[in-house]
Amino acid sequence: DTGVSQDPRHKITKRGQNVTFRCDPISEHNRLYWYRQTLGQGPEFLTYFQNEAQLEKSRLLSDRFSAERPKGSFSTLEIQRTEQGDSAMYLCASSPRGLKKLFFGSGTQLSVL
Amino acid sequence: DQQVKQNSPSLSVQEGRISILNCDYTNSMFDYFLWYKKYPAEGPTFLISISSIKDKNEDGRFTVFLNKSAKHLSLHIVPSQPGDSAVYFCAPYTGNQFYFGTGTSLTVIP
Repeated sequence: DTGVSQDPRHKITKRGQNVTFRCDPISEHNRLYWYRQTLGQGPEFLTYFQNEAQLEKSRLLSDRFSAERPKGSFSTLEIQRTEQGDSAMYLCASSPRGLKKLFFGSGTQLSVL
Repeated sequence: DQQVKQNSPSLSVQEGRISILNCDYTNSMFDYFLWYKKYPAEGPTFLISISSIKDKNEDGRFTVFLNKSAKHLSLHIVPSQPGDSAVYFCAPYTGNQFYFGTGTSLTVIP
């Protein structure tokens, strides 16, 4: 399967803990996006990479959130000092150069207790 | 900021009939429009798209209509099938960004 892969699928953590999620995009897709989705809402943009460069980050995103894509391949999203309001599905998507289309992974479901 | 609205949170349709899902937007810079389908516990999957220079695009049972002057697009599914039951998101695009609506949950009743 050469689709977008996200790990873990599920994460349960206690408030105040740090969590890190990984995303492996489709090979040769130069753009990578992170979204967050809560029940009854559409995917909400968090951040976007073109190759290894983080080109945009949501103004609404807390500084507890950080993302990296060190070699322009996989990406990690870290949430520090998690809060109950961080509970959501975190979606990663990739897109190839020249195509206006996102290919999503299955997401990581985060529950903060 | 609510640039994209899907005002019907849910829709129920009998199998074989037409499903019409609507999406309204405010940003005139959107130049490409996509529809995604999402099953529970899975990521969204691409369904169909349309460029702003067109007013209709068809792919099998799925047709998307775009009315730029009204800033409105719709997705028609004919005939609807039980496997179409899912949440549908419209996602207008501009400047390397995709803006998702809140989604419409479609239930197709056998």
